Amino acid sequence: EAQVTQNPRYLITVTGKKLTVTCSQNMNHEYMSWYRQDPGLGLRQIYYSMNVEVTDKGDVPEGYKVSRKEKRNFPLILESPSPNQTSLYFCASSSLRDPNYGYTFGSGTRLTVV
Amino acid sequence: EDKVVQSPLSLVVHEGDTVTLNCSYEVTNFRSLLWYKQEKKAPTFLFMLTSSGIEKKSGRLSSILDKKELFSILNITATQTGDSAIYLCAVEKQAGTALIFGKGTTLSVSS
Repeated sequence: EAQVTQNPRYLITVTGKKLTVTCSQNMNHEYMSWYRQDPGLGLRQIYYSMNVEVTDKGDVPEGYKVSRKEKRNFPLILESPSPNQTSLYFCASSSLRDPNYGYTFGSGTRLTVV
Repeated sequence: EDKVVQSPLSLVVHEGDTVTLNCSYEVTNFRSLLWYKQEKKAPTFLFMLTSSGIEKKSGRLSSILDKKELFSILNITATQTGDSAIYLCAVEKQAGTALIFGKGTTLSVSS
């Protein structure tokens, strides 16, 4: 089944403790991206990647890192999480070669930083 | 500054009603506009629009884009309770770059 898989689905952590949220897709998509969703603010893009070793900042990159060493994986790293990073996070992927592509989203990661 | 504005922010209708959701945008380097439905968690793809005036349809849902007036509408006819969800509009700037979302319209359909 074609899908985007995020792990973990839920995470509670403490301020300052480094964490990684994984994202993997099995559709051979070139494009992957991360979003956070907050009440009243909607979905905002954190980082995106057009292909392996190519990443760029979205609207809200502060406090986050990403890497794209393999085409299928795009982990989101919080080096020193803070409470304002408590949010619902989504990873998405897309094929840039399909003229009618849409973005496929993962199931989300609910992160709480205390 | 790029922005995508959806209206209304919320809407309550009765089953069988027809609804129109609006999305206006001011985005440089526009490439496409996308509509998503979000129920419990992950947004699911509905439509991608790149050309003005060409309606896209899927069952009771349809959407159209006006690139001159910079807006799109999503129509849902004969609404059902299963249509209750947040509907998200997003604008893609260039292929594989920024995707800018509106805040969404929360639709509630009562039986």
